[in-house]
Amino acid sequence: EDQVTQSPEALRLQEGESSSLNCSYTVSGLRGLFWYRQDPGKGPEFLFTLYSAGEEKEKERLKATLTKKESFLHITAPKPEDSATYLCAVTMNSGGGADGLTFGKGTHLIIQP
Amino acid sequence: GAGVSQTPSNKVTEKGKYVELRCDPISGHTALYWYRQSLGQGPEFLIYFQGTGAADDSGLPNDRFFAVRPEGSVSTLKIQRTERGDSAVYLCASSLTRSTDTQYFGPGTRLTVL
Repeated sequence: EDQVTQSPEALRLQEGESSSLNCSYTVSGLRGLFWYRQDPGKGPEFLFTLYSAGEEKEKERLKATLTKKESFLHITAPKPEDSATYLCAVTMNSGGGADGLTFGKGTHLIIQP
Repeated sequence: GAGVSQTPSNKVTEKGKYVELRCDPISGHTALYWYRQSLGQGPEFLIYFQGTGAADDSGLPNDRFFAVRPEGSVSTLKIQRTERGDSAVYLCASSLTRSTDTQYFGPGTRLTVL
């Protein structure tokens, strides 16, 4: 069964304390891997798309990387405003629901001042 | 420019009633998606439209759920004979063309079935 697993489920960091969030996937034919940020009561906000192993994308304090089995979202010197739930999702080459995003449960990140 | 909009933002209904949820995608986006998100979970795919047609409805949980997009823009998700288990946030997303394009989400409609 196609799966997306995120870890940890929750993470509390001090302001400035860098860390990484993990997204591992087992899908038959990855087409794309996506990272979103979701604030309470709002829809997911797009961050990055990765298509092939070895690819990296950066935006401000965030950097996403991709291997054949997992993706990491690295957060460097985070600030309290980076607190949110970070969602990982994939699209697949074929199968029912392939065109939709298959999401993990997310990592709830809290950055304390 | 304007993002994806959804109405209403909140909907409270009674068990057994019929509800309609509306999604207005980003102008020019031909692909539109519906998802459902329960508390503490990631969004779950329901249906994907390419233009006016439902290209993939494999995520619809049963025949009480139906969605239309008659003119290739606005879409309506329809739920008949609502059940308490239908309570969730219903999210709509759109992308420019193909399903590999980035999907941009609306704020969601929170549905509560009493």
